[in-house]
Amino acid sequence: EAGVAQSPRYKIIEKRQSVAFWCNPISGHATLYWYQQILGQGPKLLIQFQNNGVVDDSQLPKDRFSAERLKGVDSTLKIQPAKLEDSAVYLCASSPTQETQYFGPGTRLLVL
Amino acid sequence: AQRVTQPEKLLSVFKGAPVELKCNYSYSGSPELFWYVQYSRQRLQLLLRHISRESIKGFTADLNKGETSFHLKKPFAQEEDSAMYYCALKGQGAQKLVFGQGTRLTINP
Repeated sequence: EAGVAQSPRYKIIEKRQSVAFWCNPISGHATLYWYQQILGQGPKLLIQFQNNGVVDDSQLPKDRFSAERLKGVDSTLKIQPAKLEDSAVYLCASSPTQETQYFGPGTRLLVL
Repeated sequence: AQRVTQPEKLLSVFKGAPVELKCNYSYSGSPELFWYVQYSRQRLQLLLRHISRESIKGFTADLNKGETSFHLKKPFAQEEDSAMYYCALKGQGAQKLVFGQGTRLTINP
């Protein structure tokens, strides 16, 4: 089966600019996750969707980050405006239930 | 609060030697523990989970509730085991994973 797809793979922006990331989960997977992985750290959950509803966004910096999954399939994560500390790899994962999570290749963001 | 600690950022062993990657956790209830692995230029993927009690690629991990540990072990390391390893915890009734900082394992020939 096709894996989780993410785009773009790399993005370089200047601080205060906006950026958006896209994720297409594995077909049929109801649960979708966005993680932020800062260099030298493990992934940290930003937001979890069950179909098109938010299950957990407790660690999402809502003043600048937003995410949506309008039709319960693909999802976008946006940062507006970006800060230097947002430089990280943004990982998308999906799961059919709340069991094994399947990860995408990630989007590497550099904020200058 | 849920916390996962992997005390070693880097671990280097010779091929054929035993390997142990340490993982300690902090959680008041009954957690589910996982090991995820990321090989070079590949995606993060599940290696094993404690409830399965299985051996994957020769690796095993036992949940020790008394010591709040979930160390990953393999008796004879192989070069293809070189990768980044992450320990992760899921709390009772929770859905999100909390990851440790990761250990980069290098197997020397």
